[in-house]
Amino acid sequence: NAGVTQTPKFQVLKTGQSMTLQCAQDMNHEYMSWYRQDPGMGLRLIHYSVGAGITDQGEVPNGYNVSRSTTEDFPLRLLSAAPSQTSVYFCASSYHAGPETSGYTFGSGTRLTVV
Amino acid sequence: LAKTTQPISMDSYEGQEVNITCSHNNIATNDYITWYQQFPSQGPRFIIQGYKTKVTNEVASLFIPADRKSSTLSLPRVSLSDTAVYYCLVGDMGGTGGFKTIFGAGTRLFVKA
Repeated sequence: NAGVTQTPKFQVLKTGQSMTLQCAQDMNHEYMSWYRQDPGMGLRLIHYSVGAGITDQGEVPNGYNVSRSTTEDFPLRLLSAAPSQTSVYFCASSYHAGPETSGYTFGSGTRLTVV
Repeated sequence: LAKTTQPISMDSYEGQEVNITCSHNNIATNDYITWYQQFPSQGPRFIIQGYKTKVTNEVASLFIPADRKSSTLSLPRVSLSDTAVYYCLVGDMGGTGGFKTIFGAGTRLFVKA
């Protein structure tokens, strides 16, 4: 049981490049989400999904796209990377999509640097 | 959105009980209160969740008064390994009827020997 797996762990991009951050969970969780965490800051919600085929925007969605074609996978796409997107990205999942949960399981993060 | 307010940082010594209070004046009827712990270079880890009164597990206790406008995370007899950032979250229903989790800045707890 791997939990939430994020790849890659580290990535350096040039301004204007695009890439996809991968997130996969093997716990049959309905709910999945993406956060970014800047140095010394809390986590900010980018996008989330309450099930396959359903996504919605979080606090800071601009510059990012998501899709949820399967229960297991929730990739995050950076359309045209900018230095302001330099951050650590965390993917999380939960069995329940409602307010009462057993807690979100987080991946180990992807550290992205845009130069 | 229910917004939370926590102290930015706290210091403690090993063996002491630590209480971290979170203010959430705009909490909604259906909202639950959840606390997470985050170590450097790791994702947050679920600690405890509650709706009202008191909840206790093997790691911590959560105290919620009747008006639910605040909550207190209690860590008994902390050790050096409890040095981390602690986040208080309050649930919110997103546009598609889902659950939008909003993290605040958290409280940095530093445990000294």
